[in-house]
Amino acid sequence: KNEVEQSPQNLTAQEGEFITINCSYSVGISALHWLQQHPGGGIVSLFMLSSGKKKHGRLIATINIQEKHSSLHITASHPRDSAVYICAVRWETSGSRLTFGEGTQLTVNP
Amino acid sequence: DGGITQSPKYLFRKEGQNVTLSCEQNLNHDAMYWYRQDPGQGLRLIYYSQIVNDFQKGDIAEGYSVSREKKESFPLTVTSAQKNPTAFYLCASSIRLAETQYFGPGTRLLVL
Repeated sequence: KNEVEQSPQNLTAQEGEFITINCSYSVGISALHWLQQHPGGGIVSLFMLSSGKKKHGRLIATINIQEKHSSLHITASHPRDSAVYICAVRWETSGSRLTFGEGTQLTVNP
Repeated sequence: DGGITQSPKYLFRKEGQNVTLSCEQNLNHDAMYWYRQDPGQGLRLIYYSQIVNDFQKGDIAEGYSVSREKKESFPLTVTSAQKNPTAFYLCASSIRLAETQYFGPGTRLLVL
């Protein structure tokens, strides 16, 4: 069964800390997405990547295709970063469909 | 402002009742999607549409129906055949399949 696993499930940090959220998947993918879901439920797409690294502001996403692993890093974390971060993959064999991880709940305390 | 709107924000369904969730986008996107989110689970795909007048079942289509008569609109009907409809429903669109998806604010459906 094709699976996406995120760790940790829950993460609490102090403002200013460096945050890392991990995503592992089971078989080959054509793309991996990182999404952010705020408490109200709305979802924003942060990154789509198939290799290497992408950076946007304080957010950095990396992917290691050989190890089937991606990380989302947040530098200088802030309470407004508190949200659920979701990893989603598009399998090589599934066309356009995405499979989503369960999400990582991040809480950043002031 | 371009974006995706979903209505209503909260919806209550009685036993045996069909309800329709609205999803509208003015991004000129060809592809649209419906997902269901349950606590402790990842989003699951209900239906998707690549283009007007076309739609395909996702992973959990049983008990749901959709239509795509207009490019801007992709309503989802939760039928009485869906035995466990209580969930958070998210609509998304993308310029075409396999591109970055943009999500609506979601509709929370509760069964009375």
